[in-house]
Amino acid sequence: NAGVMQNPRHLVRRRGQEARLRCSPMKGHSHVYWYRQLPEEGLKFMVYLQKENIIDESGMPKERFSAEFPKEGPSILRIQQVVRGDSAAYFCASSPPSGQGDQPQHFGDGTRLSIL
Amino acid sequence: QKEVEQDPGPLSVPEGAIVSLNCTYSNSAFQYFMWYRQYSRKGPELLMYTYSSGNKEDGRFTAQVDKSSKYISLFIRDSQPSDSATYLCAMITPHGGSQGNLIFGKGTKLSVKP
Repeated sequence: NAGVMQNPRHLVRRRGQEARLRCSPMKGHSHVYWYRQLPEEGLKFMVYLQKENIIDESGMPKERFSAEFPKEGPSILRIQQVVRGDSAAYFCASSPPSGQGDQPQHFGDGTRLSIL
Repeated sequence: QKEVEQDPGPLSVPEGAIVSLNCTYSNSAFQYFMWYRQYSRKGPELLMYTYSSGNKEDGRFTAQVDKSSKYISLFIRDSQPSDSATYLCAMITPHGGSQGNLIFGKGTKLSVKP
């Protein structure tokens, strides 16, 4: 999974704290996606972003979760006031701009979030 | 009915066997189909990416898409212990074109015994 960089790899938070997960896409990629993988569950889509724009956030919980992909710097997934149920692996994927042929998504190695 | 169904296994085979992994789906509008491999504690790694029906081969891996049956398959020839992983099928939402959120199967856990 060289290319898509996520940090931190592991994050521990207490209930009520904030969690910030970062994702730097592959070089030349301008589309970023966030997915969540709960234990014994498949990967579930959360949000799709391009630089400074949220394209599709249909998978994001309505409260406490937000995402951004600023003009400069990594994409950030932010979870406020974390609860035990937020414990999961969060994966970021990126793909090339539209019009550049096949555009499969390539994934990072994820951030494993644990809530105490 | 779930959009994408995949038998979770586990599937255990001897080294050198041919492995067949499958997914079914319900939405006939899906057009882009992918297979990912995920090792423990790692992210999904793209194996195959296909558009519409047909076959695609890459080394020991062959992907098949049968849109009339809403059925996709991944075949692994001459399986190796290093192929032991979870295999995920995925499809792009119909309105996404070639971009858009992926809908994943739950994954099939494969173990190849030496």
